[in-house]
Amino acid sequence: GDSVTQMEGPVTLSEEAFLTINCTYTATGYPSLFWYVQYPGEGLQLLLKATKADDKGSNKGFEATYRKETTSFHLEKGSVQVSDSAVYFCALSRDDYKLSFGAGTTVTVRA
Amino acid sequence: DTAVSQTPKYLVTQMGNDKSIKCEQNLGHDTMYWYKQDSKKFLKIMFSYNNKELIINETVPNRFSPKSPDKAHLNLHINSLELGDSAVYFCASSHGPSLAGGQETQYFGPGTRLLVL
Repeated sequence: GDSVTQMEGPVTLSEEAFLTINCTYTATGYPSLFWYVQYPGEGLQLLLKATKADDKGSNKGFEATYRKETTSFHLEKGSVQVSDSAVYFCALSRDDYKLSFGAGTTVTVRA
Repeated sequence: DTAVSQTPKYLVTQMGNDKSIKCEQNLGHDTMYWYKQDSKKFLKIMFSYNNKELIINETVPNRFSPKSPDKAHLNLHINSLELGDSAVYFCASSHGPSLAGGQETQYFGPGTRLLVL
């Protein structure tokens, strides 16, 4: 079945540091890939997505590139802020009406 | 102009009780979902409905019964609540799979925090 593996947290960084969260997936066919973010006490929000190989999703300074050869969708941000503290979820979906999530990575950014 | 709303936001109840969580979306989507997030933040699909029809039921106990009276609503009723049902339940909605293939973006509600004592 489909599965998503993302790096375990928690991750603690200083402001303006570089952030990378690794995500790899297992799926048949050509899934769509997503990063969702959950701020404390809130629901999930879509951060970015990519629907085919070599697509790059980007939003709010975050980027991730769909790499089919390595089945990866790593999330990066060049300079994090305290407001980026959240739980980040990598997810995939084929056209089967569900998202399969990774375990989530908690990121804390210190001032 | 809330897109996906859930009620209640918090729910504290005793074991054995029956409770319902309501979800409404005003995005014009035809597909709705319920997810469960456990204490370790792990998220798992429970159900999905497309045009009021059940599409996915991910081995959820029969005590959980979703009901979709129309495309904008998907309610979750839970019978005989157990301690292990304590979790955050998220409703989501999206358009169905696109004709070009692939999944449309899902929009999530704020969650219902259920605590069973």
